[in-house]
Amino acid sequence: AQKVTQAQTEISVVEKEDVTLDCVYETRDTTYYLFWYKQPPSGELVFLIRRNSFDEQNEISGRYSWNFQKSTSSFNFTITASQVVDSAVYFCALLLGANSKLTFGKGITLSVRP
Amino acid sequence: KAGVTQTPRYLIKTRGQQVTLSCSPISGHRSVSWYQQTPGQGLQFLFEYFSETQRNKGNFPGRFSGRQFSNSRSEMNVSTLELGDSALYLCASSWTGTSGRGDTQYFGPGTRLTVL
Repeated sequence: AQKVTQAQTEISVVEKEDVTLDCVYETRDTTYYLFWYKQPPSGELVFLIRRNSFDEQNEISGRYSWNFQKSTSSFNFTITASQVVDSAVYFCALLLGANSKLTFGKGITLSVRP
Repeated sequence: KAGVTQTPRYLIKTRGQQVTLSCSPISGHRSVSWYQQTPGQGLQFLFEYFSETQRNKGNFPGRFSGRQFSNSRSEMNVSTLELGDSALYLCASSWTGTSGRGDTQYFGPGTRLTVL
């Protein structure tokens, strides 16, 4: 069975600090997809980034970057120069290749203080 | 393109009643999935519909059901409501929903259901 662990529950930083959100996943499948979603107080889950199991290249997109390492089953997400608007709950999620069910971690509450 | 829409946004019901929630996917998306979010259990998969057929189902009792229409709009129904059904119900749509594609799911704003 698949599982996603987000060991951090709450993180508080001061604006402009960099912050890394950790995610560890478990699956026996060789084809899978990893996602990060953001949930602001309004409740809607906003898609941020996605990674395929067969592509370990790490990328940067604006203030967001991610570090995908299959060897440690980790998919960490970094926000550079955090802003108050980044305050939200962040979820890491796993999707198996032959399925449509997203398995979510428990989420990390990020608070960015001015 | 308009995003995923869900109606109603808020709902208050009493135990024993039934409720129907509606979801309109992004135009062109054929797969619709439903999730329940509670503080205790987090985000849990309910079921997924593709081409008017339920393709995947999570571990929820039969009181939770759904359907999809030919225009891909979906509804979920909860009968004989219990206090524990109070939750945020999120709908997500994806492009083709073809198994093996790992399509990104885009979520709606959710329906917050309170059962008294």
